[in-house]
Amino acid sequence: GDSVTQMEGPVTLSEEAFLTINCTYTATGYPSLFWYVQYPGEGLQLLLKATKADDKGSNKGFEATYRKETTSFHLEKGSVQVSDSAVYFCALSDDGFGNEKLTFGTGTRLTIIP
Amino acid sequence: GVTQSPTHLIKTRGQQVTLRCSSQSGHNTVSWYQQALGQGPQFIFQYYREEENGRGNFPPRFSGLQFPNDSSELNVNALELDDSALYLCASSPQRGRDTEAFFGQGTRLTVV
Repeated sequence: GDSVTQMEGPVTLSEEAFLTINCTYTATGYPSLFWYVQYPGEGLQLLLKATKADDKGSNKGFEATYRKETTSFHLEKGSVQVSDSAVYFCALSDDGFGNEKLTFGTGTRLTIIP
Repeated sequence: GVTQSPTHLIKTRGQQVTLRCSSQSGHNTVSWYQQALGQGPQFIFQYYREEENGRGNFPPRFSGLQFPNDSSELNVNALELDDSALYLCASSPQRGRDTEAFFGQGTRLTVV
């Protein structure tokens, strides 16, 4: 079945540091890939997505590139801020069986210190 | 946005529970997820125009309903301790593997 493996947390960085959160996937079909973010006390929000190989999703300074050859979708940001502290989930959506369920990784908790 | 009620709930093992979700206006697809502590959300099932449109690896005691007025329910019978989790509702404006899902804040269910 489909699965998503992402970098174990928690991750603690200083403000303005470079961020990478690794994500790899296994899918039976040709999935779409997503990063969702969960800020404290809030629901999951879509951060960015990519629907085909070599697509780059970007939002709020975050980027991730769909790499089919390495089945990866790593999240990066050049300079993190305290407001980026949240839990980040990598996910895929695969319509191989006629339903568009999201399969999530376990989440990576990110804390940015001033 | 997507709103869920109640926010917190405590039930006894063996009881039944109904969780409610109000989708964004005009969204015809709603999905439910279970998020255990420290884990990512797991897909329970999806409803499209009031019919079940796919199901994850959950037993039949997990059931749902979707209504024409943008609301939906998740029902769980014969509660077990392992059902303790955050239950998330997500609505989408249409079906499709790249359609954005809009999530509610969830209902925290504790089974004792």
